Formats: sequence, C-alpha cells, structure tokens
Amino acid sequence: QKEVEQDPGPLSVPEGAIVSLNCTYSNSAFQYFMWYRQYSRKGPELLMYTYSSGNKEDGRFTAQVDKSSKYISLFIRDSQPSDSATYLCAMSVNTGNQFYFGTGTSLTVIP
Amino acid sequence: NAGVTQTPKFQVLKTGQSMTLQCAQDMNHNSMYWYRQDPGMGLRLIYYSASEGTTDKGEVPNGYNVSRLNKREFSLRLESAAPSQTSVYFCASSPPATNEQFFGPGTRLTVL
Repeated sequence: QKEVEQDPGPLSVPEGAIVSLNCTYSNSAFQYFMWYRQYSRKGPELLMYTYSSGNKEDGRFTAQVDKSSKYISLFIRDSQPSDSATYLCAMSVNTGNQFYFGTGTSLTVIP
Repeated sequence: NAGVTQTPKFQVLKTGQSMTLQCAQDMNHNSMYWYRQDPGMGLRLIYYSASEGTTDKGEVPNGYNVSRLNKREFSLRLESAAPSQTSVYFCASSPPATNEQFFGPGTRLTVL
C-alpha cells in the first residue's frame, strides 16, 4: 500500500466552478500536510501548508486536514483557466524530514 | 536571487554511461533533496541531505550516489545508467524548521 493515495484524474471543470482535490494516507504519524501546484514542464511550487488537523484559507484556496479519517482536501473557489495544472499533495512526519507525495491530479479549467 | 538551479536541462545517455546532475541553491537553506518524477508514480525521493556533510537514502536510492559539496550544492550521480532511470529529476531545498520545499526546473533524462 502506498503511503499517500491521490486520484490522478484528469479533472475538467468550467471556469468559475468549485474544485475539490483529495488525498488519503496510511501513516498516522504524518503531521505536516502540503499542496503543491505544478505547471506543465515546470517544477512544483508550494501552494498551501498546514500543520495537524483543521482548515487553512488563502484567497480562493482552502486546505482541510482530517487526521481522524487520514484525509486531506484542497478546495479551489471561482476556478480560473490559470489554475489548470497538476496538483500534488505531500506530507511528512517532521520538519526537514522525508516527504511523501501523491501522484498528482491533473486539472483543466475550461474558459 | 536565482532560487534553485539545475544543470543540465536535458540529457540523453546510452546504457552504461555515467553522468552527474548538478543542483545549487542561493537561499542559504540547510536541507536539499533529489526526486525523480515518473508518470503514474508521482515524485519519489532518491536522496536527501538535512545539512552540509550529511546524506540519507530516500525511497528509491538504488543506482544513484549523491554528494553535498557545500551548503549550496547537492549533486546526483548515475554511475552506470539504465533505461529504468529515464525520468525527470528535480532538486529541492528547504529552510530550517519548515516543510516548505523550493524546487528547481528539473532535468529531463533519457537513457537509451
């Protein structure tokens, strides 16, 4: 069983839609949860970073962590064509430690 | 401030050849990482270095060696390339006491 599972999609939505991206994990020791965005043929860039359970909001993006269910989500409100990218979840036990990435979900926002 | 830089951007090797992928960061980060990214497999950690002078194996270290030359530079060496090592390789760095990683632009490697 992989440490982190993520539906690869692809996901295609109309502009303005709310997008929900999800990951599940098996290691209950994970405490740090990240979402990265990767444009085609580029390196990933950090989008959201949360510690332990709860919600974090940043503009149109909201990250949720449910440690009891071992489930994390990223919500994108009012999606834009510029949001078209692959979104990767990542998690770790401690800072400066080994990261575990999901396989990524490919998102296309249609104008 | 260039961030994380990687050289080369593209490389084609024949089976059995060796090469070194170079990575440098100018953000004074302690931790540096090497990943490979393959379709359907996501990012997998090859090696990481928590600080200058230390290196540790990640999930897929076989066939690779690393050198943390100094705080800025972290190189990845393929001693005898195999077609299974065809991939996109990313270097990343991280400041102390955070989990934010900054990635380079990647090296696209093909082994024939």
